[in-house]
Amino acid sequence: ELKVEQNPLFLSMQEGKNYTIYCNYSTTSDRLYWYRQDPGKSLESLFVLLSNGAVKQEGRLMASLDTKARLSTLHITAAVHDLSATYFCAVDRDYQLIWGAGTKLIIKP
Amino acid sequence: NAGVMQNPRHLVRRRGQEARLRCSPMKGHSHVYWYRQLPEEGLKFMVYLQKENIIDESGMPKERFSAEFPKEGPSILRIQQVVRGDSAAYFCASSLVPTGIYGYTFGSGTRLTVV
Repeated sequence: ELKVEQNPLFLSMQEGKNYTIYCNYSTTSDRLYWYRQDPGKSLESLFVLLSNGAVKQEGRLMASLDTKARLSTLHITAAVHDLSATYFCAVDRDYQLIWGAGTKLIIKP
Repeated sequence: NAGVMQNPRHLVRRRGQEARLRCSPMKGHSHVYWYRQLPEEGLKFMVYLQKENIIDESGMPKERFSAEFPKEGPSILRIQQVVRGDSAAYFCASSLVPTGIYGYTFGSGTRLTVV
């Protein structure tokens, strides 16, 4: 059974700091996704990582994928309050997305 | 491009009533997926449909839940005789191809509350 684990599940940090969210998954998969969700809202696609060694960056967020280690990271650089949200990773098993539990990120001014 | 449209946004039903949730995929997308999200949890896959076909309903509860995606009109997720445990956010996603190589686009969800 494919399992996806995120850590930490909760993260409170100050503006301007850097931090990393980790996403481990239990069986082979070639596609990993990062989504953002604001309270009561839908899921916004951040990154689609399709191959080993893939690295994508958008603004203060950078995601990477190591398929051999079955690990993806989402790195936040110089955090700002607007990045406060819950971040989910999900792994593609055929057409089913298997989701982590989410990391609730609070960035304090 | 209107994106994935779900309605209603909020739905309140009494125990024993029926709930109908609708999803119109992005223009050009013929693959539709339904997910359920309980509070403070990640999403759980329910069903994958193409036009007029259910491809995989392995995540659907065996009873009371059904889904369709007719030739014309939106996809419908139907929950009969709702119970309090059905209270959740239900998200629909669509894709251009049946894998996520181009990503999945999610609708805004329907928040179902059973009272």
